[in-house]
Amino acid sequence: NAGVTQTPKFRVLKTGQSMTLLCAQDMNHEYMYWYRQDPGMGLRLIHYSVGEGTTAKGEVPDGYNVSRLKKQNFLLGLESAAPSQTSVYFCASRPLGGQRPFNTGELFFGEGSRLTVL
Amino acid sequence: GQQLNQSPQSMFIQEGEDVSMNCTSSSIFNTWLWYKQEPGEGPVLLIALYKAGELTSNGRLTAQFGITRKDSFLNISASIPSDVGIYFCAGNAGNMLTFGGGTRLMVKP
Repeated sequence: NAGVTQTPKFRVLKTGQSMTLLCAQDMNHEYMYWYRQDPGMGLRLIHYSVGEGTTAKGEVPDGYNVSRLKKQNFLLGLESAAPSQTSVYFCASRPLGGQRPFNTGELFFGEGSRLTVL
Repeated sequence: GQQLNQSPQSMFIQEGEDVSMNCTSSSIFNTWLWYKQEPGEGPVLLIALYKAGELTSNGRLTAQFGITRKDSFLNISASIPSDVGIYFCAGNAGNMLTFGGGTRLMVKP
């Protein structure tokens, strides 16, 4: 079982360059999320999606765009990379509902993508 | 936005010692979760708590959902070297999960 797969695992960009991070999940999950992780700040939500064709802003959406054209894929784009976007990016997914009758928030994470912007 | 204050930020303990860490929030959460992240990996769920006052164990780990729904703690008993990693609390109040800043645990054999 692949679970949640992120590509690429590592990338170095120059300021102003653009790139796309791909997240793919094979668990048929409805919800998908992009987080960034910075030292001492935990995981901060960038954007998320509650289903195919829908996206919503999280806590730190500026400078990023996302698309969910297929249920299994969630793309995170940086149109013009800045050094402040140097971080480790995590994609996560979860099913609609779960074992409990309400949203449990149990996320399944990918292994992360380390991005450095020079 | 919602903020979770997690403490301590780091701990360096001797193998065999017990560990305690906690999270507090200014907001109420419906669910509290505790994750562990090992180097080069994404966080993995350890324990999920669903109602105020709930006390749940998973092996040597015990976590509680505070009565006020604004806090949670995680205890690890008899620590071992493979307990090293970063532990995150997280609170769920809808579609989004808010994470604490993490507690970095180091265990000396």
